[in-house]
Amino acid sequence: AQSVAQPEDQVNVAEGNPLTVKCTYSVSGNPYLFWYVQYPNRGLQFLLKYITGDNLVKGSYGFEAEFNKSQTSFHLKKPSALVSDSALYFCAVRAPIGANNLFFGTGTRLTVIP
Amino acid sequence: NAGVTQTPKFQVLKTGQSMTLQCAQDMNHNSMYWYRQDPGMGLRLIYYSASEGTTDKGEVPNGYNVSRLNKREFSLRLESAAPSQTSVYFCASSVMRGGGETQYFGPGTRLLVL
Repeated sequence: AQSVAQPEDQVNVAEGNPLTVKCTYSVSGNPYLFWYVQYPNRGLQFLLKYITGDNLVKGSYGFEAEFNKSQTSFHLKKPSALVSDSALYFCAVRAPIGANNLFFGTGTRLTVIP
Repeated sequence: NAGVTQTPKFQVLKTGQSMTLQCAQDMNHNSMYWYRQDPGMGLRLIYYSASEGTTDKGEVPNGYNVSRLNKREFSLRLESAAPSQTSVYFCASSVMRGGGETQYFGPGTRLLVL
């Protein structure tokens, strides 16, 4: 069975500092991995995804994520946080074969402190 | 393009009442999905439609029915609402089911069942 874990409910970071939002996954075979962001009272917006190839994936708004197969992780990173990055972040996984849907983590609330 | 639209934005129901949540997409996507979002639980798939004319159960289908009216529209019906169905409902669409394609989400419908 596929699953995703986001071990931190809340991450606080000072504006201008680097940020990391953690995600680990469990799936049979090679995974498809996604990050979405949700601003208050809005739907989810796609940030980036890993399908295959380079382990470092670059996405929207300066975010990037590193796929680490040995650690089964896909952490979201940004070199310099902005106050406007404050939102709820979801990691999601899909198995490449036989999967019907994305499995989402429980979300991590990022607060960037001015 | 409007992307994925949902109506209504907010609804209050009494236990036992019925209602239909509407979803439409103008991106010519084949696959559509209904999720519910509950605090601390991420998003869970209720039903999906891989293509026009087909629907399948997701992770939490009990108490819901769906209709894929045409390629653009995918509705979710609660025949007899229960307080446990209080949630935020998101519709999403993608080019195809499975694989690494990106799902695009609507703004959500907030449902309160009293």
